[in-house]
Formats: sequence, structure tokens, C-alpha cells
Amino acid sequence: GEDVEQSLFLSVREGDSSVINCTYTDSSSTYLYWYKQEPGAGLQLLTYIFSNMDMKQDQRLTVLLNKKDKHLSLRIADTQTGDSAIYFCAEIDGGFKTIFGAGTRLFVKA
Amino acid sequence: GAGVSQSPSNKVTEKGKDVELRCDPISGHTALYWYRQSLGQGLEFLIYFQGNSAPDKSGLPSDRFSAERTGGSVSTLTIQRTQQEDSAVYLCASSLVINSGANVLTFGAGSRLTVL
Repeated sequence: GEDVEQSLFLSVREGDSSVINCTYTDSSSTYLYWYKQEPGAGLQLLTYIFSNMDMKQDQRLTVLLNKKDKHLSLRIADTQTGDSAIYFCAEIDGGFKTIFGAGTRLFVKA
Repeated sequence: GAGVSQSPSNKVTEKGKDVELRCDPISGHTALYWYRQSLGQGLEFLIYFQGNSAPDKSGLPSDRFSAERTGGSVSTLTIQRTQQEDSAVYLCASSLVINSGANVLTFGAGSRLTVL
């Protein structure tokens, strides 16, 4: 079945870049997503990438997709304390079922 | 409504009791999803609805769990004879399904269930 894997924790200093990695198994995924969850809240979409693209940039966020290795990454430039949250990688199967990874908790040290 | 609304936001119940969790999706969103978020377990898919039908119920943990959706809108997740391991945050999301586009989910704030 589908599976999405990501590391559980990442700690960076304020101002540094953060890179959160994810691997997925479903090669038929048409879109891949990054969601953000702040404490006590539901998930919010950060960005997504279509499977025929290898990079997408949106202000401080850069998404890289290596479809051959089924590897997705999210880079946050100039990380701020407000970026501290849980980041979820997700893929969508051939239908409309979205599968999430376990989430990477990002700690930003001032 | 303006967003996905879930109720109750917090529920404490005794082991063995039944609970109902409600989700009110964004008006016009055809797809509705239930996920469970447990400490250290990430986000576990439970079920999703397309309109009133559930094409995929594969994530429901046991036959104590059921869900329904009526009128293509509100959904109820029911857990019968609750157990302590059912304690978690239950998240609902909805989306406007567009075949050629990205299926972006909008989440509610969740219902935190504690089974004593």
C-alpha cells in the first residue's frame, strides 16, 4: 500500500535554512503536498507540486521532487521562530485519498 | 460555512461508552475525510466520502468505528464501546474535488477524545 516516510525531528538556529525530507511509495501520485500544523490547530496547506515538475519556489519555500527516487524535500530559507511547527508530507493516490507522513517537528532556536 | 467546523472540540468519556464526533465541511466541498492523530503516531487515514458514499473505508481500525455522511454535507464519526487506545485527536477535512487539479484539503481544528 501507499506509505510516506519522514524524519520526526529537526532543530535549526534562527536565520539558518531548514530542509525537511520525505520519501513516498506510490509512483502514480499526481500531486505531492506539504502541510503545516501549528500547536492546537488543524493542518494547513503550505504548498504542493505536480508530479511532472522537479522544483517549485514560493517566497522562502523551495520544494524539490526527485520522482525517480520518490523523494520530496521542503527547504525553508531564513527560518524564523514562527516557523516552529509540525510539517507533514503527503501524497495522493490515483483517486482522491491523501496519505500523510508522520510529520517532522521543526524546532527553531533563537 | 467559512471553514471546516468540528464538534465537540474536547470530549472526555468513560471506557465502554459510545461517542459521536461531528464534522461540518465547507459548503460545496464534495469530498470529506476523517483522520486520527495520536501522540507519536502521525496522521492515520480513517475514511473518506465522495458525496454521501465512502469509496474507501480501509482505515477504520475496527468494527466499533463507523461514519456516515448525509445530504453531501455533515458527517458523523461514531465510536462504540470506546477503549483507552481510542484516545486521540480526530481531524476532519474537506475538499472541492477537481479531476484535473490538486486536491487540497482544508482541515478543521479537530476533536480531542480522551477515554478514561
